[in-house]
Amino acid sequence: GNSVTQMEGPVTLSEEAFLTINCTYTATGYPSLFWYVQYPGEGLQLLLKATKADDKGSNKGFEATYRKETTSFHLEKGSVQVSDSAVYFCALTLYSGAGSYQLTFGKGTKLSVIP
Amino acid sequence: GAGVSQTPSNKVTEKGKYVELRCDPISGHTALYWYRQSLGQGPEFLIYFQGTGAADDSGLPNDRFFAVRPEGSVSTLKIQRTERGDSAVYLCASSRQDQETQYFGPGTRLLVL
Repeated sequence: GNSVTQMEGPVTLSEEAFLTINCTYTATGYPSLFWYVQYPGEGLQLLLKATKADDKGSNKGFEATYRKETTSFHLEKGSVQVSDSAVYFCALTLYSGAGSYQLTFGKGTKLSVIP
Repeated sequence: GAGVSQTPSNKVTEKGKYVELRCDPISGHTALYWYRQSLGQGPEFLIYFQGTGAADDSGLPNDRFFAVRPEGSVSTLKIQRTERGDSAVYLCASSRQDQETQYFGPGTRLLVL
């Protein structure tokens, strides 16, 4: 079956530090890849996505590149802010018939950024 | 426009009771998904609706769980004879037909005592 593995948290960084959250996947097919973010007290929000190999998704200073050869989609940001403190989820979707694009999520990585 | 809404935001019930959780998707979104997120885990797929019909219910854990979407808009997730292990956050998401990107509601936090 499909699965997503992301680095265990929590991750604590100082403001302006460089962030990497690793994500690898296993899929029977050619998935689309996503990063979702969950800020404290809020629902899941799409952060960025990539739909094919070598695509780079980007948003709010975050980037992730779809690497088919290493089945990875690592999240990076050059300079984190306190407001980036949240839980980050890597996810994939494969079309599973009848219009369904059900998501398979990793366990999430909690990021805390301290001033 | 309005996002996905879910009610109640919190639900506390006793073991063995019946609960209903409601999801109101974004207007015009024909696809609707339910997920369950246990503490410290990522969301796990439960069921998918395209319009009024449950096109994929392969994620429902057992026959105590059931969901409906009678008019192709609002959906209700129903849990019979609740167990303590059902305690989790239940998330609803919607999307346009044949679109990958899903928009999530804030979730309903269910606690079974």
